This record gives sequence, C-alpha cells and structure tokens, in this order.
Amino acid sequence: KNQVEQSPQSLIILEGKNCTLQCNYTVSPFSNLRWYKQDTGRGPVSLTIMTFSENTKSNGRYTATLDADTKQSSLHITASQLSDSASYICVIGGSTLGRLYFGRGTQLTVWP
Amino acid sequence: EPEVTQTPSHQVTQMGQEVILRCVPISNHLYFYWYRQILGQKVEFLVSFYNNEISEKSEIFDDQFSVERPDGSNFTLKIRSTKLEDSAMYFCASRGLAGREQYFGPGTRLTVT
Repeated sequence: KNQVEQSPQSLIILEGKNCTLQCNYTVSPFSNLRWYKQDTGRGPVSLTIMTFSENTKSNGRYTATLDADTKQSSLHITASQLSDSASYICVIGGSTLGRLYFGRGTQLTVWP
Repeated sequence: EPEVTQTPSHQVTQMGQEVILRCVPISNHLYFYWYRQILGQKVEFLVSFYNNEISEKSEIFDDQFSVERPDGSNFTLKIRSTKLEDSAMYFCASRGLAGREQYFGPGTRLTVT
C-alpha cells in the first residue's frame, strides 16, 4: 500500500532555532519526493523537489535530504522565523503522470 | 507571477445537489489535477487530466465525479449528487509540459449540509 508517514505530528520551537522533520514512504513506483508548505486554509506551496539520484537539495533556509535506499527524507529548517509556522508536508510523485501521494504533515509552530 | 485561481472560495450546498467547482490553471500548462482535503486529514489525489481526457483517477473519483475543460482556460470538477462526506477543501493544480512542479490554487471549501 502506498503510504507516506511523517514525524513528528506537531512541533513547537522558538524563533531562531533549527528543526528537522522526518518522512518515510512506501510509494511505488517512485518518481520524485517533494516538500510542501501549507498555511492554514491555503493551497500547498512547493519548497523542494528531488529525484532518486539527488541526496540533498536546498532552498534558502530549507534543506531536504533523501535516502532512496531506506525510503527516508528529512527537511531541515534553519534560523526559524515566525512566518515558518505552517504544516510541512512530504509528498511523493508516484508516476510520470503526476499523481501525488501526501503525508499528513508536521504542524510547526514558531514562538517568539 | 502566474497563479492558479479557483472559484468560489466557499460553496455551501444541500445534500443531493449538484456542484461545479471551477479552476483557471496557469495559461501555458497542459496537465491539470484535482485534490481534496477533508478537515484535519491529508490531501488526497482525485484525478489528473491531459489532452482533454482523464489520465489517472483514484478510487475516490467514482461516477458521481466528472471533470471537464469546457474552453481554453477553465477546468471544472462536477459532483452530481453531493453527500455529507464530500465536505472538504478541493484544490486544483496545474503543471507545465516540461516541469515536474505542480502549482496549487487556493482551494474551494465545499460544505454539504
């Protein structure tokens, strides 16, 4: 069964601190792995897209890693800001047609 | 910057009624998608559409659902006879020919009473 599991379910950190979010997946076939940011009541916004041959990809303060052998990914956020408060969703692209499999997300809250 | 737009932002309908959710994808995109997110749950794939036909659909996308690209700009999702469990946020997304990136609209919140 195609599954995307994320941990932790929620996380609270202080402004300026770093954090790492985890993702495990069992989706097959695997085309790519994405991390999205979703603000409450809004559509998901892409942060990174990685194929199986990429181990690390950065987008500003966001750095994603991928281990295609163990089917694990992480998203590291450095120097967190209040605006980082959102749900961070791990998403697997399962085919070239573009169907996406979503995790439940990690709800990140950044406190001042 | 081009973006996907969706209307209405919120739709309230009675059980058994038909609803049409509308999306305007990014103008030069060729792949179109509908997803839904029930409150508190994960986003789920419904259907993908390319070259004027459905290319893939999930088990959720049953005979009550249909999609259409009636003209060169709109992409619609129709639910023929709504049920209480259809209440969700519905997201449209589009993708260009060359890229992998899917761009999501702001969503339509559908409430079935």
